[in-house]
Amino acid sequence: AQSVAQPEDQVNVAEGNPLTVKCTYSVSGNPYLFWYVQYPNRGLQFLLKYITGDNLVKGSYGFEAEFNKSQTSFHLKKPSALVSDSALYFCAVRVNTNAGKSTFGDGTTLTVKP
Amino acid sequence: DTAVSQTPKYLVTQMGNDKSIKCEQNLGHDTMYWYKQDSKKFLKIMFSYNNKELIINETVPNRFSPKSPDKAHLNLHINSLELGDSAVYFCASSRRDTLNTEAFFGQGTRLTVV
Repeated sequence: AQSVAQPEDQVNVAEGNPLTVKCTYSVSGNPYLFWYVQYPNRGLQFLLKYITGDNLVKGSYGFEAEFNKSQTSFHLKKPSALVSDSALYFCAVRVNTNAGKSTFGDGTTLTVKP
Repeated sequence: DTAVSQTPKYLVTQMGNDKSIKCEQNLGHDTMYWYKQDSKKFLKIMFSYNNKELIINETVPNRFSPKSPDKAHLNLHINSLELGDSAVYFCASSRRDTLNTEAFFGQGTRLTVV
């Protein structure tokens, strides 16, 4: 069975500081990893994905994530947080089994304070 | 132009009623999904269709029945609504049902059963 863990329900950072939203996964086989963001009363929006190749992936709005196979992690990062980054962030994984179903983490609420 | 659109956006109904939520995507995608997001914001896949064919059917009560008249539409019909069905339902689509494709989400339908 595949699973995704986002160990922090909430992350608080000050504007201008770097931010990290953590994600670890458990799968059999090679994972395909995704980050999505959900603003209040909106659907999820795709931020970035890791498929293969370079472990550091760059995405929308200045976000990046690093795939670490040995630690089975895919943490989301941004060098300098903005108040407008405040939202709910979901990590998701797919593998070549289980009909390729996406499994989402429970989400992490990021609050960036001015 | 809205890529994935759902109607209605809000739905308040009494227990025991039957209701439908419609979803349309104009992205030319082959695969469509229904997700349920509960009050704690946890997101779970319900169904997945690829070119009108059901490929994922999670453990969802029989009262929920998806219908895909063509690959641009995936509607969700719910019979005999129960209080526990209250949630936000998201429709999504992806370019094809391969592991490296991200999903595009609609804005959600907030269903409240009273």
